[in-house]
Amino acid sequence: GAVVSQHPSWVICKSGTSVKIECRSLDFQATTMFWYRQFPKQSLMLMATSNEGSKATYEQGVEKDKFLINHASLTLSTLTVTSAHPEDSSFYICSTRQPNTEAFFGQGTRLTVV
Amino acid sequence: ELKVEQNPLFLSMQEGKNYTIYCNYSTTSDRLYWYRQDPGKSLESLFVLLSNGAVKQEGRLMASLDTKARLSTLHITAAVHDLSATYFCAVDMKGGGADGLTFGKGTHLIIQP
Repeated sequence: GAVVSQHPSWVICKSGTSVKIECRSLDFQATTMFWYRQFPKQSLMLMATSNEGSKATYEQGVEKDKFLINHASLTLSTLTVTSAHPEDSSFYICSTRQPNTEAFFGQGTRLTVV
Repeated sequence: ELKVEQNPLFLSMQEGKNYTIYCNYSTTSDRLYWYRQDPGKSLESLFVLLSNGAVKQEGRLMASLDTKARLSTLHITAAVHDLSATYFCAVDMKGGGADGLTFGKGTHLIIQP
């Protein structure tokens, strides 16, 4: 299956600061990547779809100005959590998929905002 | 709104026993995916079910799909401790094969010696 590398694996930041998470597709060119968020003991919720060379598509209720997504190349998408607050603490997971196959997930990034 | 419902949400069972996890979904999708998540880890793909009647088996796990009933099952045979994890089913959000996924709430499975 596809190999997806996500970095960092965990990060602690202070309230009000910004954090950038990187997601790399290592073995195929991904025109689309997906960002999910998972709160403790809950399911994954799609936040946004990252599109190479164009604007990301955000799911309802997700603030696009707070969660900035950049997909500047076919192998890299970044998610920046701006002005982070404790309620943004979560497990963020990126994903890629080739058409008509299953999704493959990065290792995830555990964000803790203090 | 697409809904994916799993049950049970929590299951504690003994090694050697059999059990089934159920996944109901509200869309007309003919695809369904099963994933495993270990504590603190990301998701591992288990099964891809791409058509009505699809059945796949890997070791002690077997998954099936009934698109007419909008139901998938994940059956565990002679459970072993290593299968303890959270299992998620998921469906394509928009019915296509290149979209994000909608997940069930997950089944937290504990297998005790």
